[in-house]
This record gives sequence, C-alpha cells and structure tokens, in this order.
Amino acid sequence: GAVVSQHPSRVICKSGTSVKIECRSLDFQATTMFWYRQFPKQSLMLMATSNEGSKATYEQGVEKDKFLINHASLTLSTLTVTSAHPEDSSFYICSIVQGNTDTQYFGPGTRLTVL
Amino acid sequence: ILNVEQSPQSLHVQEGDSTNFTCSFPSSNFYALHWYRWETAKSPEALFVMTLNGDEKKKGRISATLNTKEGYSYLYIKGSQPEDSATYLCAPTPNAGGTSYGKLTFGQGTILTVHP
Repeated sequence: GAVVSQHPSRVICKSGTSVKIECRSLDFQATTMFWYRQFPKQSLMLMATSNEGSKATYEQGVEKDKFLINHASLTLSTLTVTSAHPEDSSFYICSIVQGNTDTQYFGPGTRLTVL
Repeated sequence: ILNVEQSPQSLHVQEGDSTNFTCSFPSSNFYALHWYRWETAKSPEALFVMTLNGDEKKKGRISATLNTKEGYSYLYIKGSQPEDSATYLCAPTPNAGGTSYGKLTFGQGTILTVHP
C-alpha cells in the first residue's frame, strides 16, 4: 500500500497563532487527499477532501476560512489551522486513495494542542 | 451523517483466545464497508474492503463477514496474540454513482487488548 507521512507529529501553539500541517504521499501521486480529525473519545471525522490543483471540498460544519487546505502538488497537501483556539486542539490525520480500490492509506497523524 | 456503531467499545482477552466484534451501519444506500486496524502511534492499516452481501474475507488469523441487508459486519480474530492489540475501526461508505471513495464514516472503534 501507499506510504503517507505527516509533519509535525506533535505541535503545541499559543491561542491566536496559525499552524501548518503537511501530508505527503511518499510513493504515489495522489490527486485526492483527505483530512480527518479526532476529538478525545470520538471517532475520526472527515473534514475535507483536498484536490490537487483545485479548491478543497469541506464537510458540513467545517469552516473553510479557518482550515485552509492547499494541495499544490501530487504528493503534498497542507492543512493550516488559522487563528487557533483551544477548541481546535485535536488529532488531525490525512489519507490518500490509491487507484480504484477505495482503500485509504493514512498518515500517522498530528496531535495539535492549543494553549 | 451515517450512524455507525461498534461493539463492544473495549475488549480484554487472553493470548490464544478467539474473539469477535461488531460493526452496525445503515443498510440503505450502501456501497462498501472498510475495516482498519490502528495501533498506538502508528497509521491506521487497512484490513478489508467488502462490498457484496455475504462477503467473507480473510487475512491470516483475521476474517470478516458482511451482511448488507441488515447492516452489520463481524470481525473475527482467531487465536489472539499480543500484537493484535489495537483499535479496530469500521467505516461504511455510501453509494455515490458507483463510487464513493473519501466518504468514510468511522465508528468509534473497538479497543482490543490481548494479555500474554
């Protein structure tokens, strides 16, 4: 399966700052990447679909101006949490789909803590 | 938003025990059911993708069955080993014109701990 990396794995920031999380597909060109988040004791929730060369598609309830997604190349998508607040503290994880199998390959995730 | 339920929430078994857990999902507008294994500090690992009612898939000591008419899937682990300890997630995807990739709706998972 495809190998996906994320950076950073863990980040702590002050309230009001912006944080960028990178998702890289190391061995596959991914036209589509997905961003999920997981709050404590909850399930993984799809936030948005990142499309290479076009605008991301956001799920209902996810603010596009707060969670900026850029998919500038076939191997990199970035998620920027702008003006982060403590309630944005969560586990953010990305994935890609390889081929037509519908199987998604996930990165290891990023733990964001906003103080 | 799909309502996906997994049970039990957590499970403790002894090494060598066989175990199983359940994923329940809406049977209408079904396309596929995914199972993932997620070990601590690692990426979720895809186990199975199943689409057909009555499907049964196997990977080593792990197998899964699918009932799309009643909306459930079982995951079985035979002869559990400590390295099987992980969170097992299921995620159905709805039908979207013959494909549905991306719209995974995850359950909360079953946390399995296998004691040596």
